[in-house]
Amino acid sequence: DIQMTQSPASLSASLGETVSIECLASEGISNDLAWYQQKSGKSPQLLIYAASRLQDGVPSRFSGSGSGTRYSLKISGMQPEDEADYFCQQSYKYPFTFGSGTKLEIK
Amino acid sequence: QVQLQQSGAELAKPGSSVKISCKASGYTFTSYAMHWIKQTTGQALEWTGYIAPGSGGTKYNEKFKGKATLTVDKSSSTAYMQLSSLTPVDTAVYYCARVIRGTFAYWGQGTLVTVSS
Repeated sequence: DIQMTQSPASLSASLGETVSIECLASEGISNDLAWYQQKSGKSPQLLIYAASRLQDGVPSRFSGSGSGTRYSLKISGMQPEDEADYFCQQSYKYPFTFGSGTKLEIK
Repeated sequence: QVQLQQSGAELAKPGSSVKISCKASGYTFTSYAMHWIKQTTGQALEWTGYIAPGSGGTKYNEKFKGKATLTVDKSSSTAYMQLSSLTPVDTAVYYCARVIRGTFAYWGQGTLVTVSS
């Protein structure tokens, strides 16, 4: 199985601050990488697919980048509604696997 | 719009089975595979498997073979996941989800399964 190592496990940011979350795959995944946001008590919501493509309706302050085995999610200008858990997921090979998550809080 | 409506929370005893449902609407049910994902209270997400409603074909995560059984009822556009021989480690929220481009674009609201004596 492809292991997805996500960092950091937790993060606190001030309003307006830019934050980054990273995922490292155990092998190359050819940009088959998605990012999800999960708010407390809710289902995960898709933010980014194909490593850098923004899902319809997602604010442009969210962006994704990377290639090969290293990928990152950036939030440019933290907003109160961005406080949530974030997960990466590879769809390059079955079984699909997820990162362990990053808890993002407002400082 | 696409909606996935899951059944309510379940409390089950160790050794028993539960069957949870996911009713799809807003799209052609037989055109898209239905995936199932487990989320433990520690927040880890695990892909369990999928079923292709049109053919009934399935693919399971090896870890869940023998634990999860996926079925569908095409007449009601409903997918099911049965979990058998339950133990406390099966306690989790289980989501159904529909894929677009390999990513989980639509999710159900989740079903909490609690295994306790």
